[in-house]
Amino acid sequence: SQTIHQWPATLVQPVGSPLSLECTVEGTSNPNLYWYRQAAGRGLQLLFYSVGIGQISSEVPQNLSASRPQDRQFILSSKKLLLSDSGFYLCAWSAGTGGSPLHFGNGTRLTVT
Amino acid sequence: DQQVKQNSPSLSVQEGRISILNCDYTNSMFDYFLWYKKYPAEGPTFLISISSIKDKNEDGRFTVFLNKSAKHLSLHIVPSQPGDSAVYFCAALIQGAQKLVFGQGTRLTINP
Repeated sequence: SQTIHQWPATLVQPVGSPLSLECTVEGTSNPNLYWYRQAAGRGLQLLFYSVGIGQISSEVPQNLSASRPQDRQFILSSKKLLLSDSGFYLCAWSAGTGGSPLHFGNGTRLTVT
Repeated sequence: DQQVKQNSPSLSVQEGRISILNCDYTNSMFDYFLWYKKYPAEGPTFLISISSIKDKNEDGRFTVFLNKSAKHLSLHIVPSQPGDSAVYFCAALIQGAQKLVFGQGTRLTINP
């Protein structure tokens, strides 16, 4: 069966520090991968998605970036965190076929202080 | 531009009664719709979906209704149980675009 791992579960970082969140998927090949963010009191906002290695689509202009160095690995990064980057970050995968649902990891709670 | 909207941030329902969660969308290109359930500090879990070629899909206690002319869908949970207390997200997809757009979520509380 397919599983998705996301870490760390919680993270407290000072403003201006770098960020690296990692997500890996097991049990499937060539998945679509996604990074979403849920800010306090708001819905799920799509940040990045990838349909293959090295292919990244950005949905929202920001100081975050994403990379997909391997088929089942998706990394969310920042060189310098802002206070507004605080939120709940979720990685997800889908089979990529029409109508296939997204399957989410357990998320990372990021607090920028 | 909020393409998927859940206008009720919260809903309280008595145990055993029906819960009805509503969702509206603006993009007529959406052709697949999904509902997700989310507990605190966890990722959302997929509940049920419906294709735009249908107007109803049922799975146990959960039924999703789609009204394309009104660009409206709803999730019915009957009977409601305490474990159903969670935040519910409506989501929409253009099947060729590989991107899922979510609503803001509705917090459902089931009272004993």
